Amino acid sequence: EAQVTQNPRYLITVTGKKLTVTCSQNMNHEYMSWYRQDPGLGLRQIYYSMNVEVTDKGDVPEGYKVSRKEKRNFPLILESPSPNQTSLYFCASSYTGVGYTFGSGTRLTVV
Amino acid sequence: QKEVEQNSGPLSVPEGAIASLNCTYSDRGSQSFFWYRQYSGKSPELIMSIYSNGDKEDGRFTAQLNKASQYVSLLIRDSQPSDSATYLCAVTADGDSWGKFQFGAGTQVVVTP
Repeated sequence: EAQVTQNPRYLITVTGKKLTVTCSQNMNHEYMSWYRQDPGLGLRQIYYSMNVEVTDKGDVPEGYKVSRKEKRNFPLILESPSPNQTSLYFCASSYTGVGYTFGSGTRLTVV
Repeated sequence: QKEVEQNSGPLSVPEGAIASLNCTYSDRGSQSFFWYRQYSGKSPELIMSIYSNGDKEDGRFTAQLNKASQYVSLLIRDSQPSDSATYLCAVTADGDSWGKFQFGAGTQVVVTP
């Protein structure tokens, strides 16, 4: 089944404790991206990647890191999470010219 | 400054009627436009894409694009209770900026039996 898989689905962590949210796609898509969704603010792009080793900032990259060492994987790293990073996170992937396909989401709470 | 604007709603639509959703964008370089449906607690699902001025129909959905007015809309004909969801508009430019999607905050649609 073609899909974007992200883990974990739910995560509660403490301020300052480094964490990684994994994302993998099995559709051979060139593009991958991370979004956060907050009430009233909609989906905001954090980072996106055009291909292996090529990434670019979205609208809200501060406090996040990404890497694309393999085409299928695009992990999101929060090196020192803060409470304002509590949000619903989505990973997505696409071909050029086609809209993103989204994963199921990761609900992160930073206390 | 928000670059993609949508009415937040809720837009209440009687079952069987037409739901009309609007989206405006500020970046004149935008070339590709998408509508997503998001049910509560679920991830966004792509339902329509449009790239040229005019109308594009897919089943009960019609997307309309007017680049001169920087306006894209979605019509849902014969609305059903299962259409109750939040609808997100997304835009992106071509070339080097493809992949940098801007989303609106979404319009909540409620279809009433």
